[in-house]
Amino acid sequence: AQTVTQSQPEMSVQEAETVTLSCTYDTSESDYYLFWYKQPPSRQMILVIRQEAYKQQNATENRFSVNFQKAAKSFSLKISDSQLGDAAMYFCASGGSQGNLIFGKGTKLSVKP
Amino acid sequence: DVKVTQSSRYLVKRTGEKVFLECVQDMDHENMFWYRQDPGLGLRLIYFSYDVKMKEKGDIPEGYSVSREKKERFSLILESASTNQTSMYLCASSLIYTEYEQYFGPGTRLTVT
Repeated sequence: AQTVTQSQPEMSVQEAETVTLSCTYDTSESDYYLFWYKQPPSRQMILVIRQEAYKQQNATENRFSVNFQKAAKSFSLKISDSQLGDAAMYFCASGGSQGNLIFGKGTKLSVKP
Repeated sequence: DVKVTQSSRYLVKRTGEKVFLECVQDMDHENMFWYRQDPGLGLRLIYFSYDVKMKEKGDIPEGYSVSREKKERFSLILESASTNQTSMYLCASSLIYTEYEQYFGPGTRLTVT
């Protein structure tokens, strides 16, 4: 069975600093996709970044980037120049074989002014 | 812009009542999903559907059923609500392939008393 593990239930970062959220996964799929989703307090879940496993290059979206280590099955999210609006729950997810997503338990990120 | 809407943001029901949660998407997505979100447990898949009148059980289908009579609408039904079904329910939709992101609705916070 596919699993996704986020080992940090909570993280904190100072505004303008950099923070890295960890995620490991396990899958038997040969071709798969990995996602980071953000859920701000009382707001809708939105996609932050997506990584295609067959691509060597790490995905980047503005201040958000990933460190994808395929052999280690690791998929961490780096947020640079953290802003107050980055405070949210962050979920790592792996694409399932039937089109569904397997989610980790989430990391709650706080940003200190 | 993809839009996924859910019929209620907050719902309070009594034990034993039949509960309907409605989800509508406007982007002609094939796949639709129902998740349950609980603190410390992340998102768990209840049911999903990849076509009209088709449904597949997720990880926690017990106590729930679903209906998809039209492509844009996916309903979650609690036949006889129980207190352990008090939770946040998230609907999502996506195109059919696993590489496509899921778009989420705002969620329904259901309280069963």
